[in-house]
Amino acid sequence: AQTVTQSQPEMSVQEAETVTLSCTYDTSENNYYLFWYKQPPSRQMILVIRQEAYKQQNATENRFSVNFQKAAKSFSLKISDSQLGDTAMYFCAFMKHRNQGAQKLVFGQGTRLTINP
Amino acid sequence: SAVISQKPSRDICQRGTSLTIQCQVDSQVTMMFWYRQQPGQSLTLIATANQGSEATYESGFVIDKFPISRPNLTFSTLTVSNMSPEDSSIYLCSAGSPDTQYFGPGTRLTVL
Repeated sequence: AQTVTQSQPEMSVQEAETVTLSCTYDTSENNYYLFWYKQPPSRQMILVIRQEAYKQQNATENRFSVNFQKAAKSFSLKISDSQLGDTAMYFCAFMKHRNQGAQKLVFGQGTRLTINP
Repeated sequence: SAVISQKPSRDICQRGTSLTIQCQVDSQVTMMFWYRQQPGQSLTLIATANQGSEATYESGFVIDKFPISRPNLTFSTLTVSNMSPEDSSIYLCSAGSPDTQYFGPGTRLTVL
């Protein structure tokens, strides 16, 4: 069975600073995907960034980037030039890869990020 | 990306009643999923909604309590039956492709 661990329940930084959220996971799968989702107070789960396990290059989406260390089973999210709108719960999630379709997500416990003005 | 809608967005229900939540996807998808998010918690998978066959439930969730329908490749319903205050949660549906997954806006359920 897969497990996902987020060891930082809460983090707080000043606007414009850079912040890194940690995530580790455990799996025996070789082909899988890792995600970071953002959940603001509106409760909508928003996909922030996705990493394919077979790609060594770290994924980047504008101010969001990941540090994917497959051997260490580590998947951290870096937010650069943080903005007030980045305040939210952030969830790390794991999904096996199967050609027949999407698979269930396994989530970490979440990190509550607050960006202070 | 898939656009997913859910109805209702929120509801307040009495103990012992049932509520059916609808999930609509704007494109055909193989897999649809239902998750529960209890207050202050992460998301837990309730079941995988299979088109044309019975849903696949995770440990701790049973069909009598959470019956699911999936009549076609774009629509699913989740019913929360015989509700108690412990069922107060956000219920989210999701769908996607082999390499990604998107969520509906969620249904906030409060049981009195």
